[in-house]
Amino acid sequence: AQKVTQAQTEISVVEKEDVTLDCVYETRDTTYYLFWYKQPPSGELVFLIRRNSFDEQNEISGRYSWNFQKSTSSFNFTITASQVVDSAVYFCALSAPNTGNQFYFGTGTSLTVIP
Amino acid sequence: NAGVTQTPKFQVLKTGQSMTLQCAQDMNHEYMSWYRQDPGMGLRLIHYSVGAGITDQGEVPNGYNVSRSTTEDFPLRLLSAAPSQTSVYFCASSYSGRGVSYGYTFGSGTRLTVV
Repeated sequence: AQKVTQAQTEISVVEKEDVTLDCVYETRDTTYYLFWYKQPPSGELVFLIRRNSFDEQNEISGRYSWNFQKSTSSFNFTITASQVVDSAVYFCALSAPNTGNQFYFGTGTSLTVIP
Repeated sequence: NAGVTQTPKFQVLKTGQSMTLQCAQDMNHEYMSWYRQDPGMGLRLIHYSVGAGITDQGEVPNGYNVSRSTTEDFPLRLLSAAPSQTSVYFCASSYSGRGVSYGYTFGSGTRLTVV
């Protein structure tokens, strides 16, 4: 069975602080994909990143970085120098092609950046 | 390129009424899914389709029907609306080729209230 856990329900930080959003997953598939999505207050779901299970390299995109560690089944997301526009709900998700490409979402972490 | 189009954006139903949420994509994606989003529960899969003529149940299918007569369209039918179906509904589509899972593109959502 596939499962994604985002233990942090809500996080508040002051602008310019760094913040890490945790994501822990469970799967028995050897080939799987991990994703992060952002849902700003306007409600749409915005794709941020996709990572496959064979690529453990960390990725950096501007102020965003992702740390994928298979040993701990984690795919954590760090925002450096947070800004008010980063305030949103962030979802981590898991997909395995062998199970019909279904996405399994965590319950989300609501991030509030205080100016 | 419109992406994934959902209609309507808002809907109020009385208990017992039926309705269809429309979803169309113009990206020739094989995979389409319907999710519902409820506070504290993330996104839960209702039904999904891996191609025209093929549908299957997700995590919370009761009270909903789907069909996929074309690649482009994937309507969600509420048979007899209940207050428990008050939620935000998202349609999503994805391409998946040769065992590779790509990120879902989501529609803008339908906010449904059942009174």
